Amino acid sequence: DQQVKQNSPSLSVQEGRISILNCDYTNSMFDYFLWYKKYPAEGPTFLISISSIKDKNEDGRFTVFLNKSAKHLSLHIVPSQPGDSAVYFCAASAYSGANSKLTFGKGITLSVRP
Amino acid sequence: DTGVSQDPRHKITKRGQNVTFRCDPISEHNRLYWYRQTLGQGPEFLTYFQNEAQLEKSRLLSDRFSAERPKGSFSTLEIQRTEQGDSAMYLCASSRPGTGVIGTQYFGPGTRLLVL
Repeated sequence: DQQVKQNSPSLSVQEGRISILNCDYTNSMFDYFLWYKKYPAEGPTFLISISSIKDKNEDGRFTVFLNKSAKHLSLHIVPSQPGDSAVYFCAASAYSGANSKLTFGKGITLSVRP
Repeated sequence: DTGVSQDPRHKITKRGQNVTFRCDPISEHNRLYWYRQTLGQGPEFLTYFQNEAQLEKSRLLSDRFSAERPKGSFSTLEIQRTEQGDSAMYLCASSRPGTGVIGTQYFGPGTRLLVL
């Protein structure tokens, strides 16, 4: 069973516009969420995270929003740049990440067109 | 901060052979994790260590898989009697102990295994 779901496999946006990447989860024990970015032939790179006690966290061009009641989170990238083209993984953990194995979604391939 | 390193980066082997991968974590990180990623999927948790103690193992880690971290520094992941279904990217990550952003896992570049 897929506890973290990224239902859209790909997204294409114009440079300078907003990219919105969505993620849903089913496990109510998850209380800490992360986004990783992955280029081909490299390991995932940490982007941004959010605890369930917050509903928004911002870092530069990246903002993550969490809607606990809907078990939904989203990553906003503004403005999008061609270098943002990569696979983006949503991940979740329980116990505030203290233990902590991460459960990943399948990823979304973002393409930013010049 | 030299990052997490993994060796080898690529490995091709024949079915039935044994393979061993190595992971060197970020020096001040005492937690080390192994994940496996197959095509079209996200990374899947295999096991993790705190210092030299292996604290959790996934049911994905069959008895052909063994991981060690003998001195609490580098770790090895061995697969015995490899099968074609073992073909995947094997990712290692490390972190400090702690909750939230303090315990963020940082990943290495991975070892890509192909079993013929």
